[in-house]
Order: sequence, then structure tokens, then C-alpha cells
Amino acid sequence: AQTVTQSQPEMSVQEAETVTLSCTYDTSENNYYLFWYKQPPSRQMILVIRQEAYKQQNATENRFSVNFQKAAKSFSLKISDSQLGDTAMYFCAKGGSGGSNYKLTFGKGTLLTVNP
Amino acid sequence: KAGVTQTPRYLIKTRGQQVTLSCSPISGHRSVSWYQQTPGQGLQFLFEYFSETQRNKGNFPGRFSGRQFSNSRSEMNVSTLELGDSALYLCASSLGQRNEKLFFGSGTQLSVL
Repeated sequence: AQTVTQSQPEMSVQEAETVTLSCTYDTSENNYYLFWYKQPPSRQMILVIRQEAYKQQNATENRFSVNFQKAAKSFSLKISDSQLGDTAMYFCAKGGSGGSNYKLTFGKGTLLTVNP
Repeated sequence: KAGVTQTPRYLIKTRGQQVTLSCSPISGHRSVSWYQQTPGQGLQFLFEYFSETQRNKGNFPGRFSGRQFSNSRSEMNVSTLELGDSALYLCASSLGQRNEKLFFGSGTQLSVL
């Protein structure tokens, strides 16, 4: 079975600072997608960023970027210039085999608190 | 364009009852997936429907079932509720092609007493 591990249950950061959330995963596949989702108190899962394993270049979306290390099966999320609205639960997820991204395997999540 | 809509937002049931949850996908999306979220087990995949057919199923007992209608709306049913079924049930929609992004709803919080 595939596993996704987030080793940091909780993290906190000061507003405007940078924080990195860690994620490792296990797979025997060569091509797959990795995702970071954010779940604020509203409970809706919001896609933050995604990375295709086939692409070596790290994905970037505004203040969010990833450090994808395929050989190490590591996929960390860096949030720059943290804002109060970034406070949420963050989940790392891996897409299913053969591009079946509707079947995601999630980590347990990291609760990020941004302090003023 | 409207997002994924789940109804109801909250439900309270008692053990042994059954419950039906509803999910309306984004217009044009033909795939609907369901996930269960609990503090202990985290987020787990239940099943996915595409064009009214179940394409994949997670590791849940047969008490959990679903269906999809011709307008892509989906329902999930849980029969003979157990206390452990208390959870946030999330649905997500996509166009249904490979390598698609999922768009999630805000979930239905089910409490079983």
C-alpha cells in the first residue's frame, strides 16, 4: 500500500516569515502527481500546488513552492511571506496509479498557525 | 462558476439508522469522488463515479455505497450506522480525465449517537 508521511503534526510561524512543511511518500511508480492541499476552518480542501513527478523543475504558485526530491521521495512545501490567512491544516497527497488522481492518498496533515 | 456543493452540512443520526449524503459537482465535471475524514484515520478514499459507473472503490465495508445520476450529481449512502462512522464526508469533482485536479466541497459532518 502506498503511504504518505507528514512528520510535523503542528508548526507555527510569524507573519511575513518563511516556513517549510515536510512530506515523504512511498511508491514504486515512475510517474505520478503529488499535491499539497490546504484545509481552513471552513473545511473545504483547497489545492495549493501540484507537481508531476516526470518534471524535474519544482512547481511554484505565487508564495508557495515545493522542493521535490524524486529519488528521496520527498516533497516539501515552502510558504514565503506567511500571512494570517495561511493558518490551516495542510495535507500532502499522492495521486493514484496510472494518473488516477481522483484516488488520492493523504498524509495525516500539519496544522500551521501563522502568528501576528 | 459554482463550486462543489454538498448537502446537508451537518447530520445527526443514531446507531442502526441509514443516511444519504448528496454532492453536486462543478458544472461539466463528470467524475465525483468521496472521501471520509476522521481524526484517527485521516482522509480515506471511499469510491469514485464517472458517467454513472463506479470506477474505483476504497477499502470500506459494503454498508457504504453510492451512485451517480445522469446529471453527474452523486449520492452516498451508509446503512446500519455505527459510532465509528462519525466523520466529515468530502466529495470532489473533476472532468474525469487522467491527471486531473480535484475540486472539493465543504463536506457533510455526520455525527452518529
